[in-house]
Amino acid sequence: AQKVTQAQTEISVVEKEDVTLDCVYETRDTTYYLFWYKQPPSGELVFLIRRNSFDEQNEISGRYSWNFQKSTSSFNFTITASQVVDSAVYFCALSETSGGSNYKLTFGKGTLLTVNP
Amino acid sequence: DAGVIQSPRHEVTEMGQEVTLRCKPISGHDYLFWYRQTMMRGLELLIYFNNNVPIDDSGMPEDRFSAKMPNASFSTLKIQPSEPRDSAVYFCASRQMNSGNTIYFGEGSWLTVV
Repeated sequence: AQKVTQAQTEISVVEKEDVTLDCVYETRDTTYYLFWYKQPPSGELVFLIRRNSFDEQNEISGRYSWNFQKSTSSFNFTITASQVVDSAVYFCALSETSGGSNYKLTFGKGTLLTVNP
Repeated sequence: DAGVIQSPRHEVTEMGQEVTLRCKPISGHDYLFWYRQTMMRGLELLIYFNNNVPIDDSGMPEDRFSAKMPNASFSTLKIQPSEPRDSAVYFCASRQMNSGNTIYFGEGSWLTVV
C-alpha cells in the first residue's frame, strides 16, 4: 500500500529564511509519481511539481527546489529566501501506476508553513 | 484555459437536507475525481471517473453519498440526507490521459451541515 509521511506538522520561519519541507513515501511499485501541492489560506489546491520515479534529478524553479532521493524514499521541498506569500499548507503526494491504486493520489497530512515578516 | 470549476463555493445547510455539489472539469480531461478534506482525515479520495464511467467508488463513505457524471463536462456529488459529520471541503479534480497522473483541483466547495 502506498503511504506518504510529512513529519513536520507546522513550521514557522522569518521572511528571507530558507526552509525545507520533508516528505517520505512508501510504495512497492517501481514506477510511480511524486507531487507537491500548495494550499494557501484561500483554500484552493495548487499543483507545484511532479517527478517520476526514474528521474532523480533535482529541480529548481525560482526560489523553489526539490530533492528526490530514491535511496531514502524522500522527496523534499526547499524554499529559498522565503516570503510571506509562501505561507500555506504544503502537501506531498504519491501516485502508483499499477494495480488497484493506479491513478489514485495519496496525500500526506500536510505541513503548515508560516512565514513571518 | 479555464480550470476546474466547482459550485457552490460555500454552502450551509441543515441536517437532513439534500446537498448537491457540482463540477465542471477542464476541457479535454478524461478523468474526474472527487476528494474530501477534513482536519481529522486529511485529503481522501471519494470516487473517480474515467470517460464518464465510475471506476472506483470505494472511498464513498456510505449510501448517503452518490456521484454522477452524465457527460464529459459535468459531474455532481450528492449527499442525502446530510449530517453534521459531512461538513468538509469537497474538491473536484481532473486530469488528462498521459499526463503523468497529474491532477488539477478546483477551488473546493466548503460545506457546513448544522
